[in-house]
Amino acid sequence: GENVEQHPSTLSVQEGDSAVIKCTYSDSASNYFPWYKQELGKGPQLIIDIRSNVGEKKDQRIAVTLNKTAKHFSLHITETQPEDSAVYFCAGAWTGGGADGLTFGKGTHLIIQP
Amino acid sequence: SQTIHQWPATLVQPVGSPLSLECTVEGTSNPNLYWYRQAAGRGLQLLFYSVGIGQISSEVPQNLSASRPQDRQFILSSKKLLLSDSGFYLCAWSAFGDEQYFGPGTRLTVT
Repeated sequence: GENVEQHPSTLSVQEGDSAVIKCTYSDSASNYFPWYKQELGKGPQLIIDIRSNVGEKKDQRIAVTLNKTAKHFSLHITETQPEDSAVYFCAGAWTGGGADGLTFGKGTHLIIQP
Repeated sequence: SQTIHQWPATLVQPVGSPLSLECTVEGTSNPNLYWYRQAAGRGLQLLFYSVGIGQISSEVPQNLSASRPQDRQFILSSKKLLLSDSGFYLCAWSAFGDEQYFGPGTRLTVT
């Protein structure tokens, strides 16, 4: 089945600096790659996603890039703020556009140091 | 707008007791529905998904079952809980199978 590897497991950055989280996948048929932010004790929140026909997508301070050849995609957060501290998950979907569910990475705990 | 509800929010149950977790979605029709489990410090594991009433697909063999008695209701059940069933249970919905939106979750502790 599909496998999604996520790195690093923990990332600490100074407030105002940028953060980058990377994920790789094994199934080249994957066509949809969302990113979720999860705060303690809450459900994951969809923050940005990208489809396989696009190389980059931006939404204010966050951006996602996709390299289909290398089978990896990354989340970029610029000008980090304390409220960006959370666990971030990447995911992939390949069957039916995700109707069968998503496969998640193990998560990255992002810590923003004041 | 669409909203998704889960209850209870927290639950402490003894080993061997039954389980029923409920998820309901408002503001949409015929959603795809999903149950995920999140163990402490780990990612999300897909347990079940449903594309319609009475249609349930299971992703992993386990002590749990799911049912969809109504279009926007998804229930996760067990006849006898195990210690290993402890975790954070998340329900999610999607309209066309891509973007999935999660509920607030149920924290289950089996003692």
